[in-house]
Amino acid sequence: AQSVAQPEDQVNVAEGNPLTVKCTYSVSGNPYLFWYVQYPNRGLQFLLKYITGDNLVKGSYGFEAEFNKSQTSFHLKKPSALVSDSALYFCAVRAPGVGSSASKIIFGSGTRLSIRP
Amino acid sequence: EAGVAQSPRYKIIEKRQSVAFWCNPISGHATLYWYQQILGQGPKLLIQFQNNGVVDDSQLPKDRFSAERLKGVDSTLKIQPAKLEDSAVYLCASSTRDRSYEQYFGPGTRLTVT
Repeated sequence: AQSVAQPEDQVNVAEGNPLTVKCTYSVSGNPYLFWYVQYPNRGLQFLLKYITGDNLVKGSYGFEAEFNKSQTSFHLKKPSALVSDSALYFCAVRAPGVGSSASKIIFGSGTRLSIRP
Repeated sequence: EAGVAQSPRYKIIEKRQSVAFWCNPISGHATLYWYQQILGQGPKLLIQFQNNGVVDDSQLPKDRFSAERLKGVDSTLKIQPAKLEDSAVYLCASSTRDRSYEQYFGPGTRLTVT
């Protein structure tokens, strides 16, 4: 069964510093991997995805994520954090292929990112 | 392009009462999802529709939860009777049929059961 883990409940970073939000996954085959962001009182917003190809994927708001197959990781990164990046971030995984079981996206428990001025 | 619409945004009910949530997906999106997000956890899929047919409802507590998407567009999720542990945010999402990995979420309905 597929699963995803976000080992940090909270990450605190000073504005202007680089940030990393960690994610590891478990899935059979080559995974589809995603990052979503959730601002207070709003739904989840899609940030970026990895399906295939280049291991470094770029997404919205200057975020990027690196797929590492050997470490089964998909960490979210940004070179210079902004206070407005403060939000709840979810990593998600989906098994490859077709069918109802494959199309199900499994979300991690979330990491709260706090950027201090 | 209009996003996924949900109503109400907030609902407070007593246990054993019933409640219904409504979702209108992005126009043209054939696939619709209902998720439950309990405080401190990631969203959990309750049910997935492809047009008006159910694709996956394996995690839907069918003794109390029901959902329908009669015309293949908007959808309702009902809880009857509600329990305290149903307190959560209920998120609706939609996607195109061939890009189910790219889901667009509505703002959610925050349910409090007292």
